[in-house]
Amino acid sequence: GAVVSQHPSRVICKSGTSVKIECRSLDFQATTMFWYRQFPKQSLMLMATSNEGSKATYEQGVEKDKFLINHASLTLSTLTVTSAHPEDSSFYICSAWARGNTIYFGEGSWLTVV
Amino acid sequence: DQQVKQNSPSLSVQEGRISILNCDYTNSMFDYFLWYKKYPAEGPTFLISISSIKDKNEDGRFTVFLNKSAKHLSLHIVPSQPGDSAVYFCAASVGGGSQGNLIFGKGTKLSVKP
Repeated sequence: GAVVSQHPSRVICKSGTSVKIECRSLDFQATTMFWYRQFPKQSLMLMATSNEGSKATYEQGVEKDKFLINHASLTLSTLTVTSAHPEDSSFYICSAWARGNTIYFGEGSWLTVV
Repeated sequence: DQQVKQNSPSLSVQEGRISILNCDYTNSMFDYFLWYKKYPAEGPTFLISISSIKDKNEDGRFTVFLNKSAKHLSLHIVPSQPGDSAVYFCAASVGGGSQGNLIFGKGTKLSVKP
């Protein structure tokens, strides 16, 4: 079964609004989670590293004020896309290191901004 | 500058034959490598990994080979099955499989024909 769960799997929002995506580790604690973004037919691009109890580390070119990351507990990280714009429409995926030295990914969240 | 490269965007193989997916990397600091299988609009599914201290790891139909001197790794699937048809991503990490993030290649789309 899934070891990392992501919700929602699909969301449609209006331009200018904010949308939150949750990433939960199941049956294990994750001090670090990662958020990726994938455009159609492209690779997964790391957006930020989410650290429990501290600020996220953002990759170059990723706007931290637009993509708010909160890792308030050892099993939950959230990504909030603020003032969403159609160009933010993408597939967002979270991941976390789990037992066995393997990164497991969530199911992904497809965001469409209209 | 891509640190992980999958130069073949697609590969077509007959059912029952061997599929060989290749991956090259440039960063000599990478010491942990993983292969993921991905369907559209889903999160990647972990397949197999290998540490840089090894040159081969096998799990059922999947075998990963690592050639550190050439900075090259490959995933062998034998025998290939139609259900293996998906996009395969090679990923690399620094830190021996601990808390580092993953750098992904662009993926290779495998089609296994009955």
